[in-house]
Order: sequence, then structure tokens, then C-alpha cells
Amino acid sequence: AQSVTQLDSQVPVFEEAPVELRCNYSSSVSVYLFWYVQYPNQGLQLLLKYLSGSTLVESINGFEAEFNKSQTSFHLRKPSVHISDTAEYFCAVTQGGSEKLVFGKGTKLTVNP
Amino acid sequence: GAGVSQSPSNKVTEKGKDVELRCDPISGHTALYWYRQSLGQGLEFLIYFQGNSAPDKSGLPSDRFSAERTGGSVSTLTIQRTQQEDSAVYLCASSSARGLSGNTIYFGEGSWLTVV
Repeated sequence: AQSVTQLDSQVPVFEEAPVELRCNYSSSVSVYLFWYVQYPNQGLQLLLKYLSGSTLVESINGFEAEFNKSQTSFHLRKPSVHISDTAEYFCAVTQGGSEKLVFGKGTKLTVNP
Repeated sequence: GAGVSQSPSNKVTEKGKDVELRCDPISGHTALYWYRQSLGQGLEFLIYFQGNSAPDKSGLPSDRFSAERTGGSVSTLTIQRTQQEDSAVYLCASSSARGLSGNTIYFGEGSWLTVV
């Protein structure tokens, strides 16, 4: 069965610092990969996704993630964070043809002034 | 509607009672999903509907849990004889077509269930 590991449950950083949220998954056979964000008191929102093609995917608010098949990783990065990026971030994976998203346990990103 | 709507937003129930949670997906969305978010387990898949049928209900944790969808729209998740371990946020999501590969799924804000 698929599994997703988010190695850090909490990541505190200062504003304008770079950040990397780590995600590893268990199988590289025909996977689709996603990052979701949950802002305080809000629902889950899709941040970005990898389906095929270029291994580097970007979101509209400056986050990017790179699919690394050999390391079965899909780490999320941002070169300079804002206080408004404070949220919980979930990595998720599904195998082609399946409708079941398997989520990691989440990483709480706190951006401090 | 504009987004996925869930009701009730909060529910406190006594152990052993039955509860019903409702999801109203985005208009026109044929795919509907239920997930559960709890402190100990994170986000877990429960069931997936395509139209009114459920091709994947492998995540329902026990026979106390059931879900139905009528008219290809509203879905109800029913938990019978609730237990304290059922306390969680129940999230509904919908998508415009079959397949996660090309479609974004949109989540509701969830129904917070507390079993006392």
C-alpha cells in the first residue's frame, strides 16, 4: 500500500527566509503527487501537483516542488516566505487509475516576523 | 453553489447515537469523496462516488459507517452507534470528472464531530 512520510511535523522560520518541507512516498510506479495547504480555520486547498512531464512544478504564490523518482521524494520549497504562508501543508500521492489520495501527516509551517 | 458545502459544521453527540453528515458538492461535479481528519491518524480516505455509485469504499473503517449519494449530487455519511474514536473532522470533496490525473478536487470546510 502507498504511504507518504512528511519528516517534519513543525517547521518554524523567520519571514523572508527560505524553507523546504520534505515529503517521501513509498512507490514510484505511475504516481501522481500533490501538495495541499490548510490555512487556519479553512479547508484544504490544492497548492500544486505533478502528473507527468517536467519534474519541477510551481504554484502561483511562489512555491515549487520537484519530483525525484530515484529518491521517491517531492519536497516543497519557497525561496522567501511571508507571514501569510503560515499554514499546515500536506503531501499526498495516488497511483494512476486510483481515486484514493494517500496523505502524509502534515507539516505545520510557522513564519515569524 | 460556489464551493463544497458541508453540514453541520459542528456536531456533539453522545456515544451510541447515530449521526448524519451532509455534503453538497459543487454544481455539476460528478466525483465526490469523503475523508476523515483526526489527530492521531491524519487524513484518511473513506469513500469515493462517481455519480451515485461508489466504486471505492475501501476506507470505511467499519460496518457502522455508510454513505449514499442521490441524484448525482448530495451525499450523506452516516455513522451508527458512534464511539469516541469516531471524533474527527469529516471532509467532503468534489471534482468535475473522473480521474485525479487531470482534475482538481475541491474540499469543503468539514464537519467537526465530537463524541462524548
